[in-house]
Amino acid sequence: AQTVTQSQPEMSVQEAETVTLSCTYDTSENNYYLFWYKQPPSRQMILVIRQEAYKQQNATENRFSVNFQKAAKSFSLKISDSQLGDTAMYFCAFMRRLNSGGSNYKLTFGKGTLLTVNP
Amino acid sequence: DAGVTQSPTHLIKTRGQQVTLRCSPISGHKSVSWYQQVLGQGPQFIFQYYEKEERGRGNFPDRFSARQFPNYSSELNVNALLLGDSALYLCASSMRTGGYTFGSGTRLTVV
Repeated sequence: AQTVTQSQPEMSVQEAETVTLSCTYDTSENNYYLFWYKQPPSRQMILVIRQEAYKQQNATENRFSVNFQKAAKSFSLKISDSQLGDTAMYFCAFMRRLNSGGSNYKLTFGKGTLLTVNP
Repeated sequence: DAGVTQSPTHLIKTRGQQVTLRCSPISGHKSVSWYQQVLGQGPQFIFQYYEKEERGRGNFPDRFSARQFPNYSSELNVNALLLGDSALYLCASSMRTGGYTFGSGTRLTVV
């Protein structure tokens, strides 16, 4: 079974600074996807960034980037120029196929990291 | 375009009762998944439906059931509610691989 571990329950950062959230995962599969989701107090889970395991290049979305180390099974999220609106719970998630064939996938989430951006 | 919509937003039920939660996916999305998020935890997978068929089920008791309709909307049913069923229930839809889009969830409180 796949597991996702986020070792930092809480983190804080000053506005405009950079912060890195850690995530490790365990799987025996070779093809999979990794995600970071953001959940603000509004409860909606918002996709921040996505990484495909077969791609060596680290994904980047504006101020958000990842450091994907496949051999180490590590997938950290770096937020640059932190903004007050980045305050939220951040979840790392692993996605594998439910069964062979078809576009059917299951997400396995970590327990989350609560990030607070201070003014 | 409307996102994933869930109803109701909040719900209070008594132990032993039954509850039905509803989800409308993004237009064109044929896959709907349900997740349970207990306070302080990450979401846990309950079901996935694709083209109206159950394609996956998580480690939840038979009290949990779901279905998907021809218009791809979905319902999650929970029978014989327990206090431990109190959680945020999230619905997510997807057209294909690439990540799911989540709704804002239904907050279920069992008293």
